Amino acid sequence: GAVVSQHPSWVICKSGTSVKIECRSLDFQATTMFWYRQFPKQSLMLMATSNEGSKATYEQGVEKDKFLINHASLTLSTLTVTSAHPEDSSFYICSASRRAQYNEQFFGPGTRLTVL
Amino acid sequence: EDKVVQSPLSLVVHEGDTVTLNCSYEVTNFRSLLWYKQEKKAPTFLFMLTSSGIEKKSGRLSSILDKKELSSILNITATQTGDSAIYLCAGRHGSSNTGKLIFGQGTTLQVKP
Repeated sequence: GAVVSQHPSWVICKSGTSVKIECRSLDFQATTMFWYRQFPKQSLMLMATSNEGSKATYEQGVEKDKFLINHASLTLSTLTVTSAHPEDSSFYICSASRRAQYNEQFFGPGTRLTVL
Repeated sequence: EDKVVQSPLSLVVHEGDTVTLNCSYEVTNFRSLLWYKQEKKAPTFLFMLTSSGIEKKSGRLSSILDKKELSSILNITATQTGDSAIYLCAGRHGSSNTGKLIFGQGTTLQVKP
């Protein structure tokens, strides 16, 4: 299979704190991982693309300093929401592509972030 | 600007009905179009279409791509309540090997018993 996990599955934090979300490919090496955000009743919006060992490529309008992405290994990428605010509350989903099948993306189960 | 548009945005049918969901795309260096089903959590993969006119089928679901019209349809026959979900289509951007996907807004399908 091609299983992607995310941790935590949900998190509640206070405004101004930072939250780290992990995305792991459990049974394959993911050369590329993607981070999406989904607001209620809306589609997935790509935030950034991250390749192992290099800096992430952010989509227009996504603040690099606010959403820190690290892809230190072929099985792990992290998204850190820094100084979170209530408007950052959303469903964050990662996906991963295998080296040989870059045209398929396997999605993680998502992380529900609520900022109070 | 890359864009994927789905229609209708929502649909309510009864079990046994057949539905057709539409997706049109404008994606730079288009490589492929993907359909996903999203229930409560992350999307699950349904189909990937790269060639025009070739139908892909999985059980009661089928899909086809029309590169001339820059569109795709997803058909579901003999719908069941378990088909209730959001159906997302995404165009894959092909400028590199990153597999970047541009998602449409989704079609929310509700199948009533």
